[in-house]
Amino acid sequence: QKEVEQDPGPLSVPEGAIVSLNCTYSNSAFQYFMWYRQYSRKGPELLMYTYSSGNKEDGRFTAQVDKSSKYISLFIRDSQPSDSATYLCAMSARSGNTPLVFGKGTRLSVIA
Amino acid sequence: NAGVTQTPKFQVLKTGQSMTLQCAQDMNHNSMYWYRQDPGMGLRLIYYSASEGTTDKGEVPNGYNVSRLNKREFSLRLESAAPSQTSVYFCASSRDRVYSGANVLTFGAGSRLTVL
Repeated sequence: QKEVEQDPGPLSVPEGAIVSLNCTYSNSAFQYFMWYRQYSRKGPELLMYTYSSGNKEDGRFTAQVDKSSKYISLFIRDSQPSDSATYLCAMSARSGNTPLVFGKGTRLSVIA
Repeated sequence: NAGVTQTPKFQVLKTGQSMTLQCAQDMNHNSMYWYRQDPGMGLRLIYYSASEGTTDKGEVPNGYNVSRLNKREFSLRLESAAPSQTSVYFCASSRDRVYSGANVLTFGAGSRLTVL
């Protein structure tokens, strides 16, 4: 089993829809959880960053972490065509000798 | 503020040729990384450097070498390129040391390498 599992999609939604992107993980030591957004032919850029469990909101984006289920989510409200990108989850332990572990990414298309 | 700069952006090689991908960051970050990204495989870590003077293998180091030239620069070398090394390569850096939990990465724009 991979440490981080992410459905690759592709996911296609109409403009204005609520989008839910998810990752599951197996390492209970993970404490820091991130979402990166990658536009076509560009490098990934940090979108959201949360520590341990709970929710974090930033504009139309909400990140949720459920450590008991080893499950993280990214919600996008009122999705826009400019949200079309690949979204990668990433996570790391509080301490240890392993760098950031990435999911494979989910490709999202928001259709106008 | 340039962030992370990679060169070249595109390169075509023949099997057996060698080349070096260059990466430089101007954010005074401690840690630097090289990833490759392939369809269906996601980002895979090749090598990383927690600080100037140190390098460590990642998930897929075979066929690659790295040099942390100074705090700003981290190069990736392919000594004898193979078609399996056709990929998009990303360099990244982070302020915190690689063993810290708060490991936010800043990525470069990528280098597209094709090996024929």
